[in-house]
Amino acid sequence: GESVGLHLPTLSVQEGDNSIINCAYSNSASDYFIWYKQESGKGPQFIIDIRSNMDKRQGQRVTVLLNKTVKHLSLQIAATQPGDSAVYFCAENIRGRGYQKVTFGTGTKLQVIP
Amino acid sequence: GAVVSQHPSWVICKSGTSVKIECRSLDFQATTMFWYRQFPKQSLMLMATSNEGSKATYEQGVEKDKFLINHASLTLSTLTVTSAHPEDSSFYICSAREPIQGGTEAFFGQGTRLTVV
Repeated sequence: GESVGLHLPTLSVQEGDNSIINCAYSNSASDYFIWYKQESGKGPQFIIDIRSNMDKRQGQRVTVLLNKTVKHLSLQIAATQPGDSAVYFCAENIRGRGYQKVTFGTGTKLQVIP
Repeated sequence: GAVVSQHPSWVICKSGTSVKIECRSLDFQATTMFWYRQFPKQSLMLMATSNEGSKATYEQGVEKDKFLINHASLTLSTLTVTSAHPEDSSFYICSAREPIQGGTEAFFGQGTRLTVV
C-alpha cells in the first residue's frame, strides 16, 4: 500500500541557472543508465541515456555524468527553463540471463523559479 | 520516437470488480513490455515483465493472481487488476522497448489512473 509521509526531494532553481540532479544506484550489473522526466499525470519521458562503459554523454542542454567508482549518476540541465519543471528519475537497465529490465530510482522534483 | 498507448487514461471501479488496462505499441512490435505501478510522490515500481506468447515474469512481492498479465500479440499487453480494493488505487504505467539492434530506449505509455471506491 501507500507509504504515508514520503515526499520526493525538491530542487529549486532560478530560471536561466544550471540544474544538477543526482542519483545513486546500487546494482553493479547495470549496463546502461537512463534519465527520465515525468510531468504530473503523465508517463515518463526519455531524456538521455549512458552506457556503463562511458563516463559522460551530452545532449541538447543536458549532460549525464556517470561515476562507477561511487555508483553515482548526475543529470545537468543548462539554462533551466520553466518547462523543465517536473520530476526527474534515474533508471538503470539490468540485464540477466534471458531478461533485461529497467528499474527506477527515487526521483527528484525540479522547480524552476521564473 | 516510438509511441506506446495506454487505455483507459483513467478508470473508477467498485471494490470487488476487475479492471483491464491495455498497453499498445503503435508503430513497432514489442516482444517485451513492462508494467509499473506508481503511488503519489513516489517512484515507479516494476511489477512485471510481459513476454509475448509466454508467461509474465513478476517481481518479488507482486501477486500474479491479483495482477493478471496477457501479452497475446506483438503490439498488445493487458494488465487486469482482479477483485480490486481501494489499496489498488494507483497510477499504472506500461513501457515497451523497440527491439532494434543497439536500441536502448524504452518508451512509456501515458499511464492509467485507477481509483477503486
